[in-house]
Parts: sequence; structure tokens; C-alpha cells
Amino acid sequence: EAGVTQFPSHSVIEKGQTVTLRCDPISGHDNLYWYRRVMGKEIKFLLHFVKESKQDESGMPNNRFLAERTGGTYSTLKVQPAELEDSGVYFCASSQVLGKVANTGELFFGEGSRLTVL
Amino acid sequence: DAKTTQPTSMDCAEGRAANLPCNHSTISGNEYVYWYRQIHSQGPQYIIHGLKNNETNEMASLIITEDRKSSTLILPHATLRDTAVYYCIVRVYSNSGYALNFGKGTSLLVTP
Repeated sequence: EAGVTQFPSHSVIEKGQTVTLRCDPISGHDNLYWYRRVMGKEIKFLLHFVKESKQDESGMPNNRFLAERTGGTYSTLKVQPAELEDSGVYFCASSQVLGKVANTGELFFGEGSRLTVL
Repeated sequence: DAKTTQPTSMDCAEGRAANLPCNHSTISGNEYVYWYRQIHSQGPQYIIHGLKNNETNEMASLIITEDRKSSTLILPHATLRDTAVYYCIVRVYSNSGYALNFGKGTSLLVTP
């Protein structure tokens, strides 16, 4: 079974440009999360989808960040326009809905998308 | 969510048990203790979780004190590949708002 996949693995852009990160969760996982780690800081929660609905977007830093999950499958995170402080690693995670068989509440993380803004 | 306190760093010799402590004195009755780790620049990886009973799986054991105010993650036979940052996270077991607070974690170095 494929894990959480993220694309691109690394993106280098200039300040003011736009970048779109993509996350494909594990098949059948209704919960999808975005986290990020900026240089030297802790891993921080950004938002949580349940299927195509935003359950919690309290961690989104500002309106330059837009997350979508059309159809409840893959998700995209767009940063427009990118700023220097957006540099970091963006992690996506997915999990099974509670109540389904063998669900530990575990989040499965992807390898992350490294964003460098110059 | 309850706040957790972990040592900044620890060392362990390869083949020995690694015991990683975590304090969560403000934990409430419906909060679980979760452990994740991040190996170098990979994505975080789930290790184990528990409510009040001790738990064991193929990766580790989790010992939770009777008052639930602290816990210890045990890697029984640490290997070099266990070098990572280990995060103790206290969280309600729920579908709503599963925003894990990773904190700073404990950087574990396993030495040959």
C-alpha cells in the first residue's frame, strides 16, 4: 500500500512567486493534515481536512496560504505570493476516521516538500 | 491540550535500552499520550500511544505512571537508526481538530 506522497520534494522560488504543493493521502483516509517546519522552529499544525471540508484551519499563518481538497482525495497548498519566511519543510499527513477497524488515531506523514524562497 | 516537558537531548549506546521520559502533569482524563519521532529530515513517524495502561508494540514500550502525570518511552535495544528527535504529545482521541503539538522533543543520539 502506498504511503502519503508529496510533490515536489524540493522547490526553489523567488520572493513574490507562487508555489503549489501537492499531497496524495493514503487511499481511504478521510483525514488530511498540513504541517510545516520553518528553519530552527518546531513542527507546526496548519490545517485539517475531513474529506473535502476544512475541519480546522487555525494554524494557517495568513491569507497568502490557500489549501484545497476538491473531491476529498488529494490536497494542494498554494502560497501566493511567497515570502522569505515561508521557507521550510511542509509535511502532509493522513489518518483513518475513528471507528473504522484497527484505527489507532495514528497520523501517517509524507516525506515533506522543502520550500526555499530566495 | 496538556503541556509536555521532555529533556532536550539524550545519549544511548547501541544495543542498550533507551528510556525517554516525558512529564505531562496537567493531563486530563480523556487525553492520550502519543509518541512520534522524526529521523533527520524525514516525515514524523508514529511510535506508540496509550491512555493509562502500559503498551507495547514492535517498536517500543510505553510506561505510564499510575497518576498519569508522566510516562517513559522505552526502545529496548536501540540501534543507530533510532537516532532521531522523539516527541511526546498529549492529545484527545478525536476526529475533531487533530492538531498535534510537537514541541521541541528529545534529540536521541545512539552511539556505536
